[in-house]
Amino acid sequence: SQQGEEDPQALSIQEGENATMNCSYKTSINNLQWYRQNSGRGLVHLILIRSNEREKHSGRLRVTLDTSKKSSSLLITASRAADTASYFCATDANSGYSTLTFGKGTMLLVSP
Amino acid sequence: GAVVSQHPSRVICKSGTSVKIECRSLDFQATTMFWYRQFPKKSLMLMATSNEGSKATYEQGVEKDKFLINHASLTLSTLTVTSAHPEDSSFYICSASGDYQETQYFGPGTRLLVL
Repeated sequence: SQQGEEDPQALSIQEGENATMNCSYKTSINNLQWYRQNSGRGLVHLILIRSNEREKHSGRLRVTLDTSKKSSSLLITASRAADTASYFCATDANSGYSTLTFGKGTMLLVSP
Repeated sequence: GAVVSQHPSRVICKSGTSVKIECRSLDFQATTMFWYRQFPKKSLMLMATSNEGSKATYEQGVEKDKFLINHASLTLSTLTVTSAHPEDSSFYICSASGDYQETQYFGPGTRLLVL
C-alpha cells in the first residue's frame, strides 16, 4: 500500500520561481528520500533525510522533515526548465537495509 | 555514484510469450535487488525483493509463478514475465542496494508492451 502521499499532484511554474512539494506518510520511518523521474526513465536519488534530522540542503534543494506531523517538503529554488520531472517521496521504515514505499508523486512543469 | 543497468530498455512481444529482463549493478555488489512496476503517470509499486542466493520475497498480490525472479550473483538479477498478456504491459524498474545501504540505486527501466 502507498505510504507517502505527495501534494500537489501537479505543479506548473515559471523558470526562476520556487517549487514546493509536500509529502505525508502514515507510519514511523527510519528515513525519507526524495527521487526525481524524467518521463519514461528510471529514478534518480535526490536527497535522504533521517528521522532525527529536521532540514537538509543539497544545491538548490531543501528538504524538511516533521516527524510529529509525519510530513516532509521538498523545495526547489530558482527552478529551471530542466527541473521538469516527476518527484516522488519514499519512506524507509527499516534500519540496516532499505525497503522503500513510494508516494504517488508530484509532476512538476517548469516553463521557460 | 553507483550505476545500475537494465536490459532491454524496451521490448514488444506477443501474448503468451515469456520475457526476461536483466538488472545489473555495474560498480558495486548488490546484496539486495528490488523490482518495481509503474503504470503510466502512477507511482512505483514494489513487486518483490530479492537477496543474492535466496528466494525472492513477493509483495501481496504479485504472482510468484507469473513474475519469476532470480538473483544468482551479487551483480545480476533477472525478472521473467511468463506467458505475458496485454495487462502485463508496464514499465518495470529494478533497483539495487548494498549491505546496510540506505539508498537504492535505480536502473533506467524496461518498457514492456505485450500485443
